[in-house]
Amino acid sequence: DIQMTQSPSSLSASVGDRVTITCRASQSISNYLNWYQQKPGKAPNLLISPPSNLQSGVPSRFNGSGSGTDFTLTISDLQPEDFATYYCQQSYTTPDTFGQGTKLEIK
Amino acid sequence: EVQLVESGGGLVQPGGSLKLSCAASGFTFSGSAMHWVRQASGKGLEWIGRIRSRVNGYATAYAATVTGRFTISRDDSKNTAYLQMNSLKTEDTAVYYCRRGVSGSDWGQGTLVTVSA
Repeated sequence: DIQMTQSPSSLSASVGDRVTITCRASQSISNYLNWYQQKPGKAPNLLISPPSNLQSGVPSRFNGSGSGTDFTLTISDLQPEDFATYYCQQSYTTPDTFGQGTKLEIK
Repeated sequence: EVQLVESGGGLVQPGGSLKLSCAASGFTFSGSAMHWVRQASGKGLEWIGRIRSRVNGYATAYAATVTGRFTISRDDSKNTAYLQMNSLKTEDTAVYYCRRGVSGSDWGQGTLVTVSA
C-alpha cells in the first residue's frame, strides 16, 4: 500500500496568516492527490482534486501543488472558518490512502 | 442535489454482525463506484473498501484490516450500497461513511458503530 505522510501534524496560526501543509507519498502517485478539510462532527469536504483542481465553491486562497511524491496545500490569508483538520489522499491506486491529518488551530 | 444517507449503525458486541446501508440520490448511482471509509474517534480516515459499477463487473476491494470480515454489495434498483460487517472487533468502533467515487466530492453524514461488551 502507498503510505501518505503529512506534516506537520498540528499547526497554530493567526487569521490572515499563510500556511503550508505538506504531504509525501511513499512512491510516485503522479498527480493523483486530493485534499480534504474536515470540521468536528462533519464528513470530509473535498477541496482539491487532481490535478490541483479547486472544487466549486472553495475559496481561491486554497492552492494545491506538486506531483510525483511531494505535494503541498497552501492556505493564504487564513480566515476563521479555515481552522479545521486537513487530510491528503492518494487516488492513484487501490487502496486509496490518507495522510494522518494536520490540525490547524488558532494561535 | 447529491445525497448519501448512511443508516444501520449502533451498538454491537464483539464477534457480532451489523449491516450498514448507504442510500443515494441525485446522481446516476448505477454508474458510480461506491466506497466506505471509517474514522475512529479523534483519529484519521481509513479507507475500508469499494464496489465498482456493473460495467466494471461490480468488482470489490478491501483494506487488509477488514478482508474476510466485511463485504460490500449494492442494489442498483434501490440506489443503495451496503457494508456487511461480521466478526466485529472493538477496534472497528468508528463513524462509517460512504463516499461516491475515488475523488470523493460526495460523502454521507456517517453512522456510528460501537463494538463493545
